[in-house]
Amino acid sequence: DGGITQSPKYLFRKEGQNVTLSCEQNLNHDAMYWYRQDPGQGLRLIYYSQIVNDFQKGDIAEGYSVSREKKESFPLTVTSAQKNPTAFYLCASSPTGTGNTEAFFGQGTRLTVV
Amino acid sequence: AQTVTQSQPEMSVQEAETVTLSCTYDTSESNYYLFWYKQPPSRQMILVIRQEAYKQQNATENRFSVNFQKAAKSFSLKISDSQLGDTAMYFCAFDFGNEKLTFGTGTRLTIIP
Repeated sequence: DGGITQSPKYLFRKEGQNVTLSCEQNLNHDAMYWYRQDPGQGLRLIYYSQIVNDFQKGDIAEGYSVSREKKESFPLTVTSAQKNPTAFYLCASSPTGTGNTEAFFGQGTRLTVV
Repeated sequence: AQTVTQSQPEMSVQEAETVTLSCTYDTSESNYYLFWYKQPPSRQMILVIRQEAYKQQNATENRFSVNFQKAAKSFSLKISDSQLGDTAMYFCAFDFGNEKLTFGTGTRLTIIP
């Protein structure tokens, strides 16, 4: 079955540690996105990538980093510089940007700092 | 700046009734794309309906329809004959021509049996 897989579903991190969230898609989509969801704030864009080996900062990129070495993979690293990392993280992909096509979402990763 | 506003944090309706969720936005772009996404308790985001700004005809998908008022910058979602499975968070979202989605803060909709 084609789709987007995020792992793990739940993740716990100690303060001061970096942690990487995985996002893999087998839809052959060019564009991939990372969103953060907090209560009452909707989804906010962290980073996005329209093509392999290229990515752009979204609205809240500080404290995060990404890579896009393969078309199907777009991992997100939450660094120790992110002051409030506890949140729900969603990865999405679309064929070529989101304008005239549907964005498909993964099931999310819940990150908790302990 | 491009903004998206959903002014109804929560709504509830009886099963089989009709409900309308509101969304307003601000942009200087003339061509853009508008979406409504549903997030049920499973937290899986699901596309409900899509509208292109250059089309005057309102989009419809079965029980779901939109009222797109371009001049007023309004994009509401109407759910007819509501069902228990419609209980979810609903987000309006926009691609303002920059190939990334900007989301509203969401409306939590509860269908009461």
